[in-house]
Amino acid sequence: LAKTTQPISMDSYEGQEVNITCSHNNIATNDYITWYQQFPSQGPRFIIQGYKTKVTNEVASLFIPADRKSSTLSLPRVSLSDTAVYYCLVGDIGGGFKTIFGAGTRLFVKA
Amino acid sequence: GAVVSQHPSRVICKSGTSVKIECRSLDFQATTMFWYRQFPKKSLMLMATSNEGSKATYEQGVEKDKFLINHASLTLSTLTVTSAHPEDSSFYICSARGRHSGSGTGELFFGEGSRLTVL
Repeated sequence: LAKTTQPISMDSYEGQEVNITCSHNNIATNDYITWYQQFPSQGPRFIIQGYKTKVTNEVASLFIPADRKSSTLSLPRVSLSDTAVYYCLVGDIGGGFKTIFGAGTRLFVKA
Repeated sequence: GAVVSQHPSRVICKSGTSVKIECRSLDFQATTMFWYRQFPKKSLMLMATSNEGSKATYEQGVEKDKFLINHASLTLSTLTVTSAHPEDSSFYICSARGRHSGSGTGELFFGEGSRLTVL
């Protein structure tokens, strides 16, 4: 399982774009990159998943460089409700990978 | 999207009693379920992987006789904390992956979590 490294915390203001980078130097060929969001006392919620290049959905974008050794979750125009912990997970989804969570990034959005 | 439901959301029990937490996949068949525990301001720690119809695989350091996991059907897995003690107080979360989960790319769906307090 590829180990992931993220910043422990980040602060931002409402309306700004937030980029959270995750390092996964040992990512394997079959590994996908998945990001989850967790609010206090709730289970994690799926945000976005990708394999390479760029993926965009209604809530976020995921940028993955060619070497795939890192990825960046981009949250456009954050609001106070985006204050949460964000986790980056890497694994071979087809191989039934175990979801090993890293420390995550605690994002605090200020008014 | 797919929904995973946990019950109870909160439970308080006396030391020495056993507590069962249920995890249900409501609109898909979950071939694999995972159980985690989470302490305040800490990340989720994987406890065990549960495959339908077979014994759970526990992570190193997790006592299988203490945390009994049953995955008897494709929609239900249970975690029983036996002879609970105050140090077992934690937030327990399950997740499920289906045969054709979500968009087909292996999305995991998480339950809402169950907060256990042992007095």
